[in-house]
Amino acid sequence: QQQVKQSPQSLIVQKGGISIINCAYENTAFDYFPWYQQFPGKGPALLIAIRPDVSEKKEGRFTISFNKSAKQFSLHIMDSQPGDSATYFCAANENNAGNMLTFGGGTRLMVKP
Amino acid sequence: GAGVSQSPSNKVTEKGKDVELRCDPISGHTALYWYRQSLGQGLEFLIYFQGNSAPDKSGLPSDRFSAERTGGSVSTLTIQRTQQEDSAVYLCASSARLAGNTGELFFGEGSRLTVL
Repeated sequence: QQQVKQSPQSLIVQKGGISIINCAYENTAFDYFPWYQQFPGKGPALLIAIRPDVSEKKEGRFTISFNKSAKQFSLHIMDSQPGDSATYFCAANENNAGNMLTFGGGTRLMVKP
Repeated sequence: GAGVSQSPSNKVTEKGKDVELRCDPISGHTALYWYRQSLGQGLEFLIYFQGNSAPDKSGLPSDRFSAERTGGSVSTLTIQRTQQEDSAVYLCASSARLAGNTGELFFGEGSRLTVL
């Protein structure tokens, strides 16, 4: 049972463009939604995270938009750069589940120069 | 080194052999996780250790998989009688026990297992 669905699986964007990755979840007990970035040969690393009491969080060129009623959240990368090329994972955490995360399937982003 | 350390980084084995993968978490982190990442796939949860509590083994795919964590620090993931479908990158992560879940996991670089 896939509790967090992520799309698209792969994405190609031109340098300077906007990259958008979407995730949807089913478990209404989820209360924390991080995004992880993974470069080839490396482990994933936390990029940005949001809690459901806000609809948007921005850190530099990265923005999470959150729609609680639709049970969806998305990552927007503004002014995408070749150095942003990586695999991005959305995730969700349920209260009382420790820090155990349920991950989406991942999106492989390529930013063309 | 301050990060999560995993060994070996690469392991090639023959079908039917047993393998052990090691994880050394960040010092002081009480929680330790194992995830599996198959080629082009997402992160599949395997097992979770939190302090002295009984581990959450709900993600282990079969009884060929087991893990232990000694002294609340180093963990070993053991796969017995390996099968070709076990080929994947096995990722270990640790996190500090924080009031209010932040969900921030610190991952190692993984152990790539290839079963021939």
